[in-house]
Amino acid sequence: EAGVAQSPRYKIIEKRQSVAFWCNPISGHATLYWYQQILGQGPKLLIQFQNNGVVDDSQLPKDRFSAERLKGVDSTLKIQPAKLEDSAVYLCASSVLGQGGGYGYTFGSGTRLTVV
Amino acid sequence: EDKVVQSPLSLVVHEGDTVTLNCSYEVTNFRSLLWYKQEKKAPTFLFMLTSSGIEKKSGRLSSILDKKELFSILNITATQTGDSAVYLCAVEGNTDKLIFGTGTRLQVFP
Repeated sequence: EAGVAQSPRYKIIEKRQSVAFWCNPISGHATLYWYQQILGQGPKLLIQFQNNGVVDDSQLPKDRFSAERLKGVDSTLKIQPAKLEDSAVYLCASSVLGQGGGYGYTFGSGTRLTVV
Repeated sequence: EDKVVQSPLSLVVHEGDTVTLNCSYEVTNFRSLLWYKQEKKAPTFLFMLTSSGIEKKSGRLSSILDKKELFSILNITATQTGDSAVYLCAVEGNTDKLIFGTGTRLQVFP
């Protein structure tokens, strides 16, 4: 079974620029998550999709972050404009609907964003 | 507000030592507690615990959950340098999302 694919692996941008991350979940996984992990902290949920609908985006800074999951498969996360404090690893994860937790939850390898 | 607290934040040991990592939580509608190992970027799954008092074991790693006192421990015996990583504890409520602690950074020296 292929895992959760993310790209790019690394990105360095200047503040005020825009950036986009891509995620392809495991086939058949209805639920997709984007997490932000700042150095020295645990991952924090930014947005949760179920199919192509948003379940939870309460911690997404909507003035600069946006995310979409067209057709309920791939997802993109965008930051515009970026700030220094957005430097972090952005993790995508997916799970089978209603089967979250360890048995259904799979993380991608993440994108490390550095804003200079 | 749901939260997960891990301790210690950092631990330095020598090979062969035994370590205990702690995780306490407050979450609405608890469903499960999970332990992950994070070496580079992607957390890798170690254990999922749903019932109190039942130890989960995998090789030198073991974990147990106390739902009355709202905590879990992760034990690693006979540590090896390959155990060096950040260990994350996460709790799942009824919405399929995970709430993570800040992690414990374990460094094992030869």
